[in-house]
Amino acid sequence: QLQLQESGPGLVKPSETLSLTCTVSGGSISSSSYYWGWIRQPPGKGLEWIGSIYYSGSTYYNPSLKSRVTMSVDTSKNQFSLKLSSVTAADAAVYYCARSSIAAAVPIEVDPWGQGTLVTVSS
Amino acid sequence: QSVLTQPPSVSAAPGQKVTISCSGSSSNIGNNYVSWYQQIPGTAPKLLIYDNNNRPSGIPDRFSGSKSGTSATLGITGLQTGDEADYYCGTWDSSLSAVLFGGGTKLTVL
Repeated sequence: QLQLQESGPGLVKPSETLSLTCTVSGGSISSSSYYWGWIRQPPGKGLEWIGSIYYSGSTYYNPSLKSRVTMSVDTSKNQFSLKLSSVTAADAAVYYCARSSIAAAVPIEVDPWGQGTLVTVSS
Repeated sequence: QSVLTQPPSVSAAPGQKVTISCSGSSSNIGNNYVSWYQQIPGTAPKLLIYDNNNRPSGIPDRFSGSKSGTSATLGITGLQTGDEADYYCGTWDSSLSAVLFGGGTKLTVL
């Protein structure tokens, strides 16, 4: 059974870079059938897709975050990562990593999801 | 403001049926698969419906999905108190090249 686990600092200072890693177990991140992605949820609010990455490194990013987002994949460690630069209080959220199936070369449904990790932005 | 529009809340009595709508456009729902997610407070979202109307293994047939034009609908029959949760629709937007989620709908089982 595929499992995803987020890891990284729970507290980031304003203007600094948020860095998270997702470790995949029970399956290979190098599968040609999936994208790997990040979704966030500010407290009390809805879901916001951040971006998705293929094992080859090909990416799709949320246009509203694209200038600040970098995603990467490490197939040797079965991990993928997120970096979000110049964070503000608006970036405080629960960050989920997840897998997406593919249709017509783009990510579609998201399943499964990691348990999520809360990131607070404060000095 | 989400590109995909869902009602903020719906409610119904135990045993009854409820539907949740998700409205979009030709660049998203109209030409791409729709999925639905259930999020119980304090937990990660769970996939309920994929490819418009398919249920993953383990999801009861009380949950159903449909799509017509630029709108999609999640149906839940035989409501149980355990169905109280937030429900989100999701799809790909071909113009934005982005995954979209609806704003979410809170289901209350009275």
